[in-house]
Formats: sequence, C-alpha cells, structure tokens
Amino acid sequence: GAGVSQSPSNKVTEKGKDVELRCDPISGHTALYWYRQSLGQGLEFLIYFQGNSAPDKSGLPSDRFSAERTGGSVSTLTIQRTQQEDSAVYLCASRQNGASGRATPIQYFGAGTRLSVL
Amino acid sequence: GNSVTQMEGPVTLSEEAFLTINCTYTATGYPSLFWYVQYPGEGLQLLLKATKADDKGSNKGFEATYRKETTSFHLEKGSVQVSDSAVYFCALNSGGSNYKLTFGKGTLLTVNP
Repeated sequence: GAGVSQSPSNKVTEKGKDVELRCDPISGHTALYWYRQSLGQGLEFLIYFQGNSAPDKSGLPSDRFSAERTGGSVSTLTIQRTQQEDSAVYLCASRQNGASGRATPIQYFGAGTRLSVL
Repeated sequence: GNSVTQMEGPVTLSEEAFLTINCTYTATGYPSLFWYVQYPGEGLQLLLKATKADDKGSNKGFEATYRKETTSFHLEKGSVQVSDSAVYFCALNSGGSNYKLTFGKGTLLTVNP
C-alpha cells in the first residue's frame, strides 16, 4: 500500500484478555518500529525489527508484550493478560535504508490502534 | 540517556499569530532532530528535520534550526492558520544501528479563526 497500515483502528477488550495488533509497513521498508502513545507518558519506543536481525526489544514494558515480524513484512504486537494501564494508542512506523546501505532516518507512521482495556 | 523536553501545552492562538514551540534535548553523539505533527484522527507525519548543527528544517511555513550550543530545536511559524491545529512532537534519534526515536510529550496547538 501507499502508507503504513494498522488494524484494527480501535480495540476494546476486557481486562485479562489477550489482544493482537497488526501492522503492514510500506512495501520495501526493511525497518519496522512499534511505539506506544499514552496519556502522561507521551510516545515511547517498544520494539524494533530490521531485516533478519534479532529485534531490539529494549522498550517492551513487561513480558506480557511480544511482537513478531513474519517474512520481513507484516508485524503483530501481542499483549497477553491485558491490564487497564495498557490502554493507549499503539503506533507502528517503518523506514527504508538508503542507497549503498546508508540509512535514511525518516520513519513513516500508521494511524495507530487505539486500545481500551475495561 | 536521550531525552526531549518541549513546552507544555495547550497553546491557543488566533489566526495569523506568531507561533513558537520550544524544544530542548539531551543526547549522546550527534543526533538528528525532527518535528512530527499529528492532526486530529490521523497518524504522525514528519513536518521537518535537521541532521546536523546549524541546519534549518522548513516545511509548510514552519521552521526550526538545530542549535548545538543550546541543544535546542524550537519550532516557529510566522502566521498560523486554523488548519495548523494539531499536536506537535519534537523528537531525536542518535543514530546507532536502530535510529529509534525519542519523543517529547507533545504540544497541543489550537488556532481560532
């Protein structure tokens, strides 16, 4: 597609349930990021994928959070046993590498998934 | 670690007023600096960027200059429009292998006709 696509756009779940959020990056972009946007915390980095390298998971807030990226394209962020503090907008971004392997440090964002945990 | 501090909002202006949103940063090395904008109901969009000291980023009448001596990247626009109403985020990445962004908390701008 033309841009980063995220689904669903809104998700309401009950405390304790698992949720999966999906991200389709821009075609050809090798790098993919997940961020979380919550009141009081602003935008926080969660996880980063680059090609076939091991992901940088340093921003994941707990072991209830995990993410995978299949085939170097689509990514799924999974939150297990959701808690009310997980309520936030989850943003996905992708980035391409420039010519000759030089990275172009511009990330393009999707519209996000608004997660509400009741 | 890296951090970005931007002025607290909300900011309310009348159309054609001058806008400044302050942003200062702390980072190791030589970061690239960004302003992103989030219009109501939409995702983040890159507004402008600067990748080295004294660079000026500009777009849609907005400008910001990378000031290494004051570690600042203040956003300015000479004459705002109602359509500029949005949340503005200052951000940096310090390179390395992942280019992950560190954001400020965002500033809500409302422009009244």
